[in-house]
Amino acid sequence: QQQVKQSPQSLIVQKGGISIINCAYENTAFDYFPWYQQFPGKGPALLIAIRPDVSEKKEGRFTISFNKSAKQFSLHIMDSQPGDSATYFCAAKGKTGGGNKLTFGTGTQLKVEL
Amino acid sequence: NAGVTQTPKFQVLKTGQSMTLQCAQDMNHEYMSWYRQDPGMGLRLIHYSVGAGITDQGEVPNGYNVSRSTTEDFPLRLLSAAPSQTSVYFCASSYSRGMNYGYTFGSGTRLTVV
Repeated sequence: QQQVKQSPQSLIVQKGGISIINCAYENTAFDYFPWYQQFPGKGPALLIAIRPDVSEKKEGRFTISFNKSAKQFSLHIMDSQPGDSATYFCAAKGKTGGGNKLTFGTGTQLKVEL
Repeated sequence: NAGVTQTPKFQVLKTGQSMTLQCAQDMNHEYMSWYRQDPGMGLRLIHYSVGAGITDQGEVPNGYNVSRSTTEDFPLRLLSAAPSQTSVYFCASSYSRGMNYGYTFGSGTRLTVV
């Protein structure tokens, strides 16, 4: 079953615009929420991550916003660039058991146009 | 520092054949896992391991077998390949404890079963 729901499936943004990708989770026992970036032919790479005791985390042009009560978190890419064109996955880690097991969303294909 | 190394990069199998996908990491990570990536379905967990000698099933384990005899290696075995196992397979590793839960992914194995 899908415990992390991601939207949209695809997104086209103009260069310099803001890209926003949303995720919602059902399991309140998650305690770590990372985002991964994947370029064609490559494995996913960790982009940024947040814990539920923080409402926002910013690293350069990338920001995670976290709403614990709504069980939602989102990735904002400011000043989007063509080099940001990639597939983005949100994920969530359970608090107990399973070691470091992550549940992933279905991914968002982002295209940044000139 | 090689990170996570997967071999082979590409493989074509006939239905019913068996094979082993290799995964090795040199970061002394306790946690290792195998995911398959299919269009529109994100990354789905096949099997994972929290340390040498310990393995467990993920979301889609049927048709796959794993073992973890060393910290470094975590091979994935396809027992009798089926067309439904056509996919891109990723191995990932991470620390299990502390604050650093970020996964390092390999570059993937693209498998086609005909």
